[in-house]
Amino acid sequence: EAEVAQSPRYKITEKSQAVAFWCDPISGHATLYWYRQILGQGPELLVQFQDESVVDDSQLPKDRFSAERLKGVDSTLKIQPAELGDSAMYLCASSSRGLARLTGELFFGEGSRLTVL
Amino acid sequence: AQKVTQAQTEISVVEKEDVTLDCVYETRDTTYYLFWYKQPPSGELVFLIRRNSFDEQNEISGRYSWNFQKSTSSFNFTITASQVVDSAVYFCALSDHLSGNTPLVFGKGTRLSVIA
Repeated sequence: EAEVAQSPRYKITEKSQAVAFWCDPISGHATLYWYRQILGQGPELLVQFQDESVVDDSQLPKDRFSAERLKGVDSTLKIQPAELGDSAMYLCASSSRGLARLTGELFFGEGSRLTVL
Repeated sequence: AQKVTQAQTEISVVEKEDVTLDCVYETRDTTYYLFWYKQPPSGELVFLIRRNSFDEQNEISGRYSWNFQKSTSSFNFTITASQVVDSAVYFCALSDHLSGNTPLVFGKGTRLSVIA
């Protein structure tokens, strides 16, 4: 069964360091999402891509966060510099354009858990 | 604006008890989808069910059942004869259908603990 791949699964870093997360969506899925889930909360959207273009990054803290999907396939989310409040699970999800229009369903990866010390 | 409220933060039940997880949503759209996801300790969000706003039929899948009521904007989830493996955080989510690619809006989740 096709899966959304994410790495690393766990990352511990010190405050002020740079950190990057990678996501490979299900093959053929044009839409890719990065969500942040703080402990005890529901996931919140950070950025949405349609192919290589950003559709919505209104909730992305652009002073320290950046995201790219250069070839419209895999994606990288970067944080520089990391702050204590960035400790969270970073979830990647994908959907095909047609599937999203029909069902709205997203497929999630296992997430990358970040701890900032 | 879309909003999902899960008022129950944590629930504990004894194995074999039935348990209902509440979900109330807000949207101005007439066409939307509602979802339930399960998040076990491993962290991955596992899809459980999707419900179209036009379909108010209740659904049963094994020990799981869902009660969708547009009149009260609720989409509640019941687990019958709960098992220890049901212990997880459960999220209700809402998606606007018409735009085709609107991301899911999640509630804050309900942590279910099933005690043997």
